Amino acid sequence: QKEVEQNSGPLSVPEGAIASLNCTYSDRGSQSFFWYRQYSGKSPELIMSIYSNGDKEDGRFTAQLNKASQYVSLLIRDSQPSDSATYLCAVRGTNTGFQKLVFGTGTRLLVSP
Amino acid sequence: DVKVTQSSRYLVKRTGEKVFLECVQDMDHENMFWYRQDPGLGLRLIYFSYDVKMKEKGDIPEGYSVSREKKERFSLILESASTNQTSMYLCASRTLVGGETQYFGPGTRLLVL
Repeated sequence: QKEVEQNSGPLSVPEGAIASLNCTYSDRGSQSFFWYRQYSGKSPELIMSIYSNGDKEDGRFTAQLNKASQYVSLLIRDSQPSDSATYLCAVRGTNTGFQKLVFGTGTRLLVSP
Repeated sequence: DVKVTQSSRYLVKRTGEKVFLECVQDMDHENMFWYRQDPGLGLRLIYFSYDVKMKEKGDIPEGYSVSREKKERFSLILESASTNQTSMYLCASRTLVGGETQYFGPGTRLLVL
């Protein structure tokens, strides 16, 4: 079982719709969770971090964390073509001696005009 | 704004060559990382440095070494380049003060012939 799993996609949504991206993780003691966006040919950039159960909203983005079910999700409201990118889920677990992040392989999102 | 720079965007090297990839950050971050990113495999940690002259192996350190003589600079060395080290190499830096944001450099695309 991979430590952090994401559906590779592509996830296709029309402009203006809600895009829902999901991520599951295996380390039950994980404490910190991150969503990075990576445009084609570019490096990842952090868009959201979440540390406690529930929802965290930032503009059009909402991160949701459910530690009991070991999943974290990212909702993008009013999706725009400029949101088309690969979204990487990253988790910092408890069994990583130097606080490394473990990344999923990413979900590719395509937003069509 | 945090800036992480990498010495080259593209490199072409021959099998057996010694390759140096350099990374510089300007925010006095304690932690620095080297990843490689390959299609379908995601981001994999090669080495991590939590302070000057300190280093830890990541998930795939074989064939690589690192050097951190100054806080702002973290170098990745391919001792004898091989074709299976053709990849995108990403450097990142992080401070744990005020959160755990990890900032990535633009990446170096290395082709080993």
